This record gives sequence, structure tokens and C-alpha cells, in this order.
Amino acid sequence: RKEVEQDPGPFNVPEGATVAFNCTYSNSASQSFFWYRQDCRKEPKLLMSVYSSGNEDGRFTAQLNRASQYISLLIRDSKLSDSATYLCVVNRGGATNKLIFGTGTLLAVQP
Amino acid sequence: NAGVTQTPKFQVLKTGQSMTLQCAQDMNHNSMYWYRQDPGMGLRLIYYSASEGTTDKGEVPNGYNVSRLNKREFSLRLESAAPSQTSVYFCASLSPASGSSYNEQFFGPGTRLTVL
Repeated sequence: RKEVEQDPGPFNVPEGATVAFNCTYSNSASQSFFWYRQDCRKEPKLLMSVYSSGNEDGRFTAQLNRASQYISLLIRDSKLSDSATYLCVVNRGGATNKLIFGTGTLLAVQP
Repeated sequence: NAGVTQTPKFQVLKTGQSMTLQCAQDMNHNSMYWYRQDPGMGLRLIYYSASEGTTDKGEVPNGYNVSRLNKREFSLRLESAAPSQTSVYFCASLSPASGSSYNEQFFGPGTRLTVL
């Protein structure tokens, strides 16, 4: 079992739709959590950190459930420009700060 | 700030050839990382350096060596390239956590390597 698991998709949604991505992690000692966005043939870039209380940034909402070891990302009012791969990332913490990446979920927003 | 830079962007090697991938960051970060990304496998950690002068193996270190030349630069060397090393290689650095904010990893643009 992978340490960070995501549904690979693809998720094909129309413009304006709401879409949710889920991610589970197996290491209960994990300390911090993130969603990264990766466009085709580009490097990953931080979309948002995920805090225990949940956090929102415009159309994007991220939530963390430590008890269930589950992270989610909700995108409202999808835009064509949201089409990308979304990576769930977990930091084990400690002195080494190793980040563990999920394989990513592909989102394709259709006109 | 240029952020994280990598050279070259593309490279084709023959089996058995050697090469070094260069990476530099101008953000004064202590931690730097090398990943490879393959279809269906996600990003896998090859080596990392928690600080200048230290390096440690990641998940897939075999066939690679690294050098943390100074705080800015972290290079990855393939001594004898194999077709299994065909991949996209990303270098990254990690910002320190600040207040209530987590640390953030910044990536270079990647090197697309093909080994024939």
C-alpha cells in the first residue's frame, strides 16, 4: 500500500461544476499536508497548505481529518484553467522534512 | 529571484554514458531534494540534503550520486546511465516553516532525460 493514495482520475467535468478530490495517508505521525498543482510538462507548484481547521482560498477549500487520515480538496465553479493534475502531499516532519507525494488526480474541465 | 534553476532542460544519453544534472536555488534554503517522476509512479525521492555538507538517500537512490557543493547548489550524477533512468528529474528546495505557516517546497522546471 502506498503511503499517500489518490484516485488517479481522470475527472472530466463541465465548466462551472463542483469537483472534490480525496486523499488518504498511512503514516499517523505525518505533520503537515498540502495540495500541489502540476500542469502538463511543468513542475509542481503549491496550491494550498491544509490545516486542521480546514482552509479556503477563493474557489478552493481544503480539509483534513487526522482521525481518519484523510485530506480533501473541493473546487467550486470549475474553470477551464483548473485543468491540471492535483497532487496530495504529506510531510513526515522531523529533521529531514521528507515530503511524500501521491500519484496525482487528473482534472479535465470541459467547455 | 530566479527561485530554483536546473540545467540542462533536455538530455539524451546512450547506455553507459555519465552526466551531471545541475541545480541551484537563490532563496537561502537549507534543504534541497532530487526527485524523479515517471508515469503512474508520482514523484519519488532520489536523494536529499537537509543542510550544506549533508546528503541522505531517498526512496530510489541506486544508480545516482549527489553533491551538495554549497548552500545554493545540489547536483545529481548518473555514473553509468541505464534505460531505466529515462525520466523527468526535478530539483526542489524547502522553505522553513514560519509562524503558523508550514514550509513550502519550490521546484525547478525539470530535466527530461532519455537514455537509449
